[in-house]
Amino acid sequence: DAKTTQPNSMESNEEEPVHLPCNHSTISGTDYIHWYRQLPSQGPEYVIHGLTSNVNNRMASLAIAEDRKSSTLILHRATLRDAAVYYCILRRAGGTSYGKLTFGQGTILTVHP
Amino acid sequence: DAGVTQSPTHLIKTRGQQVTLRCSPKSGHDTVSWYQQALGQGPQFIFQYYEEEERQRGNFPDRFSGHQFPNYSSELNVNALLLGDSALYLCASSLTGSPALDEQYFGPGTRLTVT
Repeated sequence: DAKTTQPNSMESNEEEPVHLPCNHSTISGTDYIHWYRQLPSQGPEYVIHGLTSNVNNRMASLAIAEDRKSSTLILHRATLRDAAVYYCILRRAGGTSYGKLTFGQGTILTVHP
Repeated sequence: DAGVTQSPTHLIKTRGQQVTLRCSPKSGHDTVSWYQQALGQGPQFIFQYYEEEERQRGNFPDRFSGHQFPNYSSELNVNALLLGDSALYLCASSLTGSPALDEQYFGPGTRLTVT
């Protein structure tokens, strides 16, 4: 699996936007970029995923660089409930990956009131 | 619609014992994956079941085994427990198909403590 690199931690204030970066310089053309988050004492939760174009959903936006070697998860207005560990994961289409997720250390997001 | 459920919530076992953890997938999902999460670490993939067979396996010893039933629910069995098996065990369900639709839904996990 291609490797991702994320900052260990980030901090934000409530109601401000948060930009969580992820580097994936060895990404292949068939790798989807997935983001999951894990709130304290809970299982991971799907946030968003994309392949080439920017994606928006009710939770967040995903901005993908033109060369796909990096991406940014954008939380438009952080709330205290967004405090979690955020994981950036590459998932290869086809082949034998079959939904296996390879988690790294993730980014611990702290949101201040 | 009930999401992914896991039982039990917590479990304490002694070294050398065997344990069985259970998972019911989200309604409509046919694939179940199991993960182990040690304290302070990201989840590590154990294996995945689809159509009642193990389809893919991570780097875990044979002491870890599983099963999937016709209703898609699944069990994770761990034999000869070691202290290092203490962790949060997570079950994730999904629907096998296009990666464009790929979302994994995780349960709350089972906290296993081996003493």
